[in-house]
Amino acid sequence: SQQGEEDPQALSIQEGENATMNCSYKTSINNLQWYRQNSGRGLVHLILIRSNEREKHSGRLRVTLDTSKKSSSLLITASRAADTASYFCATDWSNAGNNRKLIWGLGTSLAVNP
Amino acid sequence: DAGITQSPRYKITETGRQVTLMCHQTWSHSYMFWYRQDLGHGLRLIYYSAAADITDKGEVPDGYVVSRSKTENFPLTLESATRSQTSVYFCASGAYNEQFFGPGTRLTVL
Repeated sequence: SQQGEEDPQALSIQEGENATMNCSYKTSINNLQWYRQNSGRGLVHLILIRSNEREKHSGRLRVTLDTSKKSSSLLITASRAADTASYFCATDWSNAGNNRKLIWGLGTSLAVNP
Repeated sequence: DAGITQSPRYKITETGRQVTLMCHQTWSHSYMFWYRQDLGHGLRLIYYSAAADITDKGEVPDGYVVSRSKTENFPLTLESATRSQTSVYFCASGAYNEQFFGPGTRLTVL
């Protein structure tokens, strides 16, 4: 079953505003990643945060990770129309048996209105 | 051009036919993955490959076959297509800390 769950499912904001989306997961992870998918395109890796990190920045992106709450948030500051896309979190999970997989959330659809 | 490509981009087929979706990457990544994306289900892993001649099942492998004779190619075959296999299929390469996705193949099974 899917481990990552994003909320909200859909978000509509005005250009220049900040967008925050959240991801929750269920078990221990190695890292958590965020990807963007523009309509009709493949996913693009945005940022990775390791399980021992609490916050990471990349340009206008800020990701936080709270392992005690098993949740992460992605903040996009000063949004632009070009940020309109779906955003997915993916948790990198492994166990003692060397099984490893990326578990994907269902995504947040972000619309940035000019 | 460097990157990951998929062909065809669009395919319409009929129930019971065999269909092969192609995936080619130029980075020499060891790992390659096949996903399907459906509304309400997100991305689901069909098969993955850790290296040439090494493949393993993902979350939803039934009805699909893969092979990996060369590092750069990872074709996905639907042996006898069913309507439930109508979906968008994405190939990816890379690793568990970052994956690079192809543009997708939109497959419709009538």
